[in-house]
Amino acid sequence: SQQGEEDPQALSIQEGENATMNCSYKTSINNLQWYRQNSGRGLVHLILIRSNEREKHSGRLRVTLDTSKKSSSLLITASRAADTASYFCATGLMNRDDKIIFGKGTRLHILP
Amino acid sequence: ETGVTQSPTHLIKTRGQQVTLRCSSQSGHNTVSWYQQALGQGPQFIFQYYREEENGRGNFPPRFSGLQFPNYSSELNVNALELDDSALYLCASSLGLAGSYEQYFGPGTRLTVT
Repeated sequence: SQQGEEDPQALSIQEGENATMNCSYKTSINNLQWYRQNSGRGLVHLILIRSNEREKHSGRLRVTLDTSKKSSSLLITASRAADTASYFCATGLMNRDDKIIFGKGTRLHILP
Repeated sequence: ETGVTQSPTHLIKTRGQQVTLRCSSQSGHNTVSWYQQALGQGPQFIFQYYREEENGRGNFPPRFSGLQFPNYSSELNVNALELDDSALYLCASSLGLAGSYEQYFGPGTRLTVT
């Protein structure tokens, strides 16, 4: 079973609209991270949110974490063509800092 | 762009051969993690090296091994290559163990096994 699963698997929106992606996980975590990947290249770190935090912002990005529901969401406001990419959540497990588990990702496509 | 570099960029090997991939970590980082990413999938954690010792391993067989050097650069070795080993191999460096710190990724090595 997958620790982190993103939803939806794919998302297409018009430029300027907001994009929301969700991540659900099964096991208690220390933190949850979001990464972006363009066209099979290296991943870029976006935000790390710790288990005792509920919301974090970075520019046009907003991440929320609900540990009671074991879920997180990534909101990208006022989307741009350059936001077209795959987005992954990754979980650092509670009391286990020796690994990190990625989900399968959401493929976001921004339409002009 | 991160300060993490990987070599080579692309590699083609034959089943049964051995391969070594290299990664230079970002300055100041003492941890390197390796991931395998199949097409259309998320990165799968192989293992991480912290201060030259393996510290944490994913669900990969022993033919996947690694090293970390005193300058914190790292190698991933894969023996007895199989067709399913074809993937993008990513390394990432961090200030500490992968489960607690943000990762800085290199551009990856695309391995094709024929």
